[in-house]
Amino acid sequence: EVLLVESGGGLVKPGGSLRLSCATSGFTFSSFNFNWVRQAPGKGLEWVSSISIRSDNIYYADSVKGRFTISRDNAKNSLYLQMNSLRAEDTAVYFCARDGPLRSGYPDYWGQGTLVTVSS
Amino acid sequence: EIVMTQSPATLSVSPGERATLSCRASQSVTNNLAWYQQRPGQAPRLLIFAASTRAAGIPGRFSGSGSGTEFTLTISSLQSEDFAVYYCLQYNNWPRGEKTFGQGTKVEIK
Repeated sequence: EVLLVESGGGLVKPGGSLRLSCATSGFTFSSFNFNWVRQAPGKGLEWVSSISIRSDNIYYADSVKGRFTISRDNAKNSLYLQMNSLRAEDTAVYFCARDGPLRSGYPDYWGQGTLVTVSS
Repeated sequence: EIVMTQSPATLSVSPGERATLSCRASQSVTNNLAWYQQRPGQAPRLLIFAASTRAAGIPGRFSGSGSGTEFTLTISSLQSEDFAVYYCLQYNNWPRGEKTFGQGTKVEIK
């Protein structure tokens, strides 16, 4: 069974930092691209960042560029999102999502999300 | 940046009726378009990829069509579990650029 489990969310003050993790199991982690997608309370889905299998292709949404860093550890079957200089508008549930097979580009499996709240 | 626009924002449909949802791209995304369903409190669920290919386990009442800039998701006969929010996603630029979601269409019971 494909499983993705996010952790690391919580309450942080504006300007603070947080590191999200996504632990995976049930498939060969090193064979897939990954994504972070977020959803502010009561709002729609927003793509945040994607990383390729060998970390040689990495892209960010303009809203987080320069503040967030996506990374992966193929030995630990884990995906990460380092979030710095957090703002109130970064408050959201953050989902980890695996891309489909053959480096397809569309997420096919999703975690249940972890809530990040940025507030003083 | 490719902008994805979904319409309508809300669709009121009776159970058993047909629902047609639209997604328009600001420039061609060829067929690199996926559809997702999200029920309250749940993660998104992949329905359609490559504009018209149903994902594994998705019922046949869901179908996708379109290419270029205009796409449609059709639910042929709405069941109670289909009342949810639906999002389109373009991934045409990957692995050389960004992905973009539409703002979503809420399908509600009429």
